[in-house]
Amino acid sequence: SQQGEEDPQALSIQEGENATMNCSYKTSINNLQWYRQNSGRGLVHLILIRSNEREKHSGRLRVTLDTSKKSSSLLITASRAADTASYFCASDTGANSKLTFGKGITLSVRP
Amino acid sequence: ETGVTQTPRHLVMGMTNKKSLKCEQHLGHNAMYWYKQSAKKPLELMFVYNFKEQTENNSVPSRFSPECPNSSHLFLHLHTLQPEDSALYLCASSQLSGGYNEQFFGPGTRLTVL
Repeated sequence: SQQGEEDPQALSIQEGENATMNCSYKTSINNLQWYRQNSGRGLVHLILIRSNEREKHSGRLRVTLDTSKKSSSLLITASRAADTASYFCASDTGANSKLTFGKGITLSVRP
Repeated sequence: ETGVTQTPRHLVMGMTNKKSLKCEQHLGHNAMYWYKQSAKKPLELMFVYNFKEQTENNSVPSRFSPECPNSSHLFLHLHTLQPEDSALYLCASSQLSGGYNEQFFGPGTRLTVL
């Protein structure tokens, strides 16, 4: 499996519901980041959580990090149709300039 | 707008053509990246430039040739490509300081090789 692997691979929910996406990684990290990508566009940085943090909030986004399980989750509350996109986690070991991305989760929010 | 621009946005080329992709960042960052994004595959890091010096070449075939003339501009020169090189090519930049590599991406160039 890949470093920075997300699950589920696809998620379809109704507008107003919460969406939870999970990510696992393999090696020790300095931080973990979540990105969003609208179809055919570039990635947009959403939120970064440091290895010494357990939870972080930004608007309707809530990210958790469990370094003992090497996993992270992204929760989007009160989802909107405009949240429809692909979401990627990226692990940063801090040792070099590389981020390792997963395959991404496709989120569809039905109006 | 993320402060990273890419041109062209779409490119169709034959296998014998030579073309170049251009990326420019207006953020004052010191690192720039080329990624390849193919359907159903993770984002693949191709090249990294840190202060204009190439610090990463992720086993990319020589038909892809990067150039970084200064810290704001990055090119990807293409020649004798294969149909399997068709993909979305993304450029990104970041400021490598403080240990946090938050990357800013351009909109990408959709490349089709016939």
